[in-house]
Amino acid sequence: AQKVTQAQTEISVVEKEDVTLDCVYETRDTTYYLFWYKQPPSGELVFLIRRNSFDEQNEISGRYSWNFQKSTSSFNFTITASQVVDSAVYFCAPMDTGRRALTFGSGTRLQVQP
Amino acid sequence: GAGVSQSPSNKVTEKGKDVELRCDPISGHTALYWYRQSLGQGLEFLIYFQGNSAPDKSGLPSDRFSAERTGGSVSTLTIQRTQQEDSAVYLCASSSTPPGGLTWETQYFGPGTRLLVL
Repeated sequence: AQKVTQAQTEISVVEKEDVTLDCVYETRDTTYYLFWYKQPPSGELVFLIRRNSFDEQNEISGRYSWNFQKSTSSFNFTITASQVVDSAVYFCAPMDTGRRALTFGSGTRLQVQP
Repeated sequence: GAGVSQSPSNKVTEKGKDVELRCDPISGHTALYWYRQSLGQGLEFLIYFQGNSAPDKSGLPSDRFSAERTGGSVSTLTIQRTQQEDSAVYLCASSSTPPGGLTWETQYFGPGTRLLVL
């Protein structure tokens, strides 16, 4: 079984600020996968990034970057130079390699003010 | 190409009635998932289909819930004798996960069906 904690319920920033969304997970799997999804006001879940547990190299993709630390079970997600269109609820979700189901956190609502 | 589609987009029903929700996965995707998003429970897994294998039903909340997938493509989620606590957004996702593989293909979600049980 897996568990995800997104301690930040809501974050409000001003456009162009950088913002980091925190995620801490618990898993008994030795190999697992981690995802971030975004849910804008329209309601559809949009895939953002993914990472596997055996590769701790952190990467940057455009304005998105992530910091995966297996030792602390954290998978934080950063948006650089935030934009109003980034306003959404962001979900961290590890995947159970056995049944391939995503376990979603409670989400962090990001409000980017102009 | 076309994404995951779901129908209806909204459904209002009376307590005790049966409802059917439909999901059309992305063409060629072998895996299909149903999730539910409600205010009280957040986003939770319901059921997973992989090709022609027996589905993983471990997330279904009660025996009033069932799902089938015909021809390895379209899926229908059926809720019998609906209760008010079934009110939620039902989300379908698909991925190209090959059977038995240890890959981690991304799940792509549809727009959801918003179910309201009166």
